Parts: sequence; structure tokens; C-alpha cells
Amino acid sequence: DIQMTQSPSSLSASVGDRVIITCRASQSISTYLNWYQHKPGKAPKLLIYAASSLQSGVPSRFSGSGSETDFTLTISSLQPEDFATYYCQQSYSTPMYTFGQGTKLEIK
Amino acid sequence: EVQLVESGGGLAQPGGSLRLSCAASGFIFSGHWMGWVRQAPGKGLEWVANIEQDGREKSYVDSVKGRFSISRDNAKKSLYLQMNSLRAEDTAVYYCAREVDTAMVPYFDNWGQGTLVTVSS
Repeated sequence: DIQMTQSPSSLSASVGDRVIITCRASQSISTYLNWYQHKPGKAPKLLIYAASSLQSGVPSRFSGSGSETDFTLTISSLQPEDFATYYCQQSYSTPMYTFGQGTKLEIK
Repeated sequence: EVQLVESGGGLAQPGGSLRLSCAASGFIFSGHWMGWVRQAPGKGLEWVANIEQDGREKSYVDSVKGRFSISRDNAKKSLYLQMNSLRAEDTAVYYCAREVDTAMVPYFDNWGQGTLVTVSS
């Protein structure tokens, strides 16, 4: 099974900060990597698919990069609405998927 | 507009059963893989099961194999999750999600609001 490990598990930042969240796969997954944002009581929201493609309607301050085993999600300038939990997900082993454990982004 | 609306959650006893439903609208339901993802209290997202467009191919996370069954009715534009032999660790919010695969990479692009399943005596 492919394991996904995110770091950090939690992060405190301020509005306007640049934030980077990393995700590491236990084996090479090419660019079969997606990122989601999840707020309490809400449906998860797709941000990035195929490692670096921005989902329609998602602000351009979100970007993704990486391939094989190492990936990053970058928020270039944090906005108040960005405080949430972020998850990476591998879809290399389709149709069986794995999420990372999540990174909780909190206000400093 | 794509809409996914889950129902059927509630309280069940350990060893009991529940059937979740997901009503889809706003897209060609029969053209998509569909899946269930859950979030236990204080935990992260966990993929549970997927089903192919015509319902023939199905996949499950190891922890629910033999207990849960995913199915669909394309005529009714509905997805189901039959949950048997429920355990306390199945307590979670269960989300229905639509799968797409742009550039051959699958991902969940639309999600429902979730339905809460609580397993407790």
C-alpha cells in the first residue's frame, strides 16, 4: 500500500504569509497527486490535481509542484478564508486511494 | 450545477447495519466513477470505496472489506453504501464524491456535505 506523509501536521501563520505544505509518498507516484482543503462542517474542496494543475475557480495564490515521491502545496499570500485543514491524496494506485494525515493551518 | 446529497446516517449499534444513499444531480451520473470517503471524529479523511460507471468494478479499503458494499442505480442517479457488522471505529462523517480523471489522473472534484454515522450501544 502507498503511504502518504504530510508535514507539518499543524502550522500557525499570519494573513499575508507564504505557506508551504509538503507531502511525501512511500513510493513513486509520478504526478498522481491531488490536494484538498477541508473546513469543519463543510464538504472537502479540490484545489490542485495532477500535482500542479489548478482546479477551476481556485484562487491563483494556491499552487502545487513535485513528482515521484515529493510534493508541495504553496499558498503565496494567506487570506483569512484559507485557514483550514489541507490533505494530499494519491491516485496512482487507482481505484484505491490514500490521503495524507492532514495539515491544520491555524491563525497565529 | 453538480449536487451530491447524502442521507441515511444515524445511530447504529455495534454489529448493526445502515445503508447510506447519495442522490446526484447536475451531471451525467452514469459517466463517472463514484466514491465514499469518511472522516472519523478528530481524524483525517479516509477513502472507503469506489465503484465503476456500470457498477461492475468495486474497490474497498481493507478495514471495510467483507462488511461494506458499494452499489449504484444509474437510472435513479443514486449511489449507495451498505454497511454491515458495524464497529465503533466506523463512526464518522461519510462523504459521497464524484471522480473525474483529467490528464489520466483521477481525483474527486465534487463532494456532498456528508452524513454522520455513529456506532454506539
